[in-house]
Amino acid sequence: EAEVAQSPRYKITEKSQAVAFWCDPISGHATLYWYRQILGQGPELLVQFQDESVVDDSQLPKDRFSAERLKGVDSTLKIQPAELGDSAMYLCASSLYGSDTQYFGPGTRLTVL
Amino acid sequence: QKEVEQDPGPLSVPEGAIVSLNCTYSNSAFQYFMWYRQYSRKGPELLMYTYSSGNKEDGRFTAQVDKSSKYISLFIRDSQPSDSATYLCAMSATGANSKLTFGKGITLSVRP
Repeated sequence: EAEVAQSPRYKITEKSQAVAFWCDPISGHATLYWYRQILGQGPELLVQFQDESVVDDSQLPKDRFSAERLKGVDSTLKIQPAELGDSAMYLCASSLYGSDTQYFGPGTRLTVL
Repeated sequence: QKEVEQDPGPLSVPEGAIVSLNCTYSNSAFQYFMWYRQYSRKGPELLMYTYSSGNKEDGRFTAQVDKSSKYISLFIRDSQPSDSATYLCAMSATGANSKLTFGKGITLSVRP
């Protein structure tokens, strides 16, 4: 069964350092989402791509966060510099174009010290 | 006030119990309603999806939507220890390829 892949699964960093997360969606899924899930909360959308184009990045803290999906397949989310409040689970999801079903990856758990 | 409110937890029930999980929402634009299950240290997986008001059943799970009251529920019959997980309600306004707004989740523990 096809799955969304994410790496690394866990990342510990010190504040002010740069971190990057990678996501490989299910093959053929044109829409890719990055969500942030703070412990004890539901996921919140950070950015949505349709192919290589950003559809919604209204909740992305653009002063420190960036996301790209250069060839419309895999995607990278970067934080620079990391802050203590960035500690959370970063989830990637994908869906077929025209579908309302999003498939989530296992997430990257970030701890900022 | 958050757009989606979910009953606080955690919830602990004995095996075989009927479980009722609930969410309310304030945004009348929400038309699509989902329940996700999230095991510890895993990503959410879609459990149930509904569009219209009414009930939808899938095995031991029943999703209920009342748009007039802006209230959705998930019922689990004959609960099993393997149902122990966090359950998240999620909603969207436009369906296909649209942003999901999640509740904060409730952690369910089913005791053997």
